Amino acid sequence: DAGVTQSPTHLIKTRGQQVTLRCSPKSGHDTVSWYQQALGQGPQFIFQYYEEEERQRGNFPDRFSGHQFPNYSSELNVNALLLGDSALYLCASSLHKVYGYTFGSGTRLTVV
Amino acid sequence: GESVGLHLPTLSVQEGDNSIINCAYSNSASDYFIWYKQESGKGPQFIIDIRSNMDKRQGQRVTVLLNKTVKHLSLQIAATQPGDSAVYFCAEIIQGAQKLVFGQGTRLTINP
Repeated sequence: DAGVTQSPTHLIKTRGQQVTLRCSPKSGHDTVSWYQQALGQGPQFIFQYYEEEERQRGNFPDRFSGHQFPNYSSELNVNALLLGDSALYLCASSLHKVYGYTFGSGTRLTVV
Repeated sequence: GESVGLHLPTLSVQEGDNSIINCAYSNSASDYFIWYKQESGKGPQFIIDIRSNMDKRQGQRVTVLLNKTVKHLSLQIAATQPGDSAVYFCAEIIQGAQKLVFGQGTRLTINP
C-alpha cells in the first residue's frame, strides 16, 4: 500500500519563475493538504483540497494556488517566486473529517 | 490566537535513558493533539495522538500526557535508542478546523 508520494524531490528555480509541485495521496484518502516548512521551523498550513475544491486556506498570498484532480491527486503552484519561498513543501493526505494525516517526504524548493 | 510552542529547542540524552519532550499550546478550543517525528530528508511521521477528553495515552515505548489546565503536552520516550534521534513536533487541531498547527520542534540527540 503506497503512502503519499511527492514529486519532484528537489527543485531549483530562479526568482520570478513559476513552479508546480505534485502529490499523490495514500490509497483510500480523499483529502490533500499542503504545508510549507522553512529550515528549522515547523510546517505551516497552506491549504486543503477536498472534492476538487479548496476548503481551507492558511495565511499565504494568492501566488500560492492549487488543484485537486478526480483521482484525488493534487498540485501546488507558486507564481512569481521569491527567495523566501525556499522551503520544504509537504503534502499530507487524509480521509475527509477524519483525524489521521499521512505525510509525504516533501519537495525541497530552492529559489535563487 | 493559535500557537503551539516548545519549551526546549534541543535535548540530548544518554542511550537507554528516558526522554521527555514538552510542548505548550494556547488555544483552549484545540481538541486533538499529535506528536510527529521528523528525520532528516523525510516528512513528519506519526508517533502518537491524544484527544482533549483524555489525559494520558500509551503506545510502544511512548506516552503522551495532556494537562489541559496549564495547556501543556508532553511526549515521553522510554529506553531511548539511537534511532530515536530526530526532530519532534507537537501539533494541534482546533475543534472545527481540519488543519494542523505545528510547533517549532525539538531536536533529540542520543549519546552512546
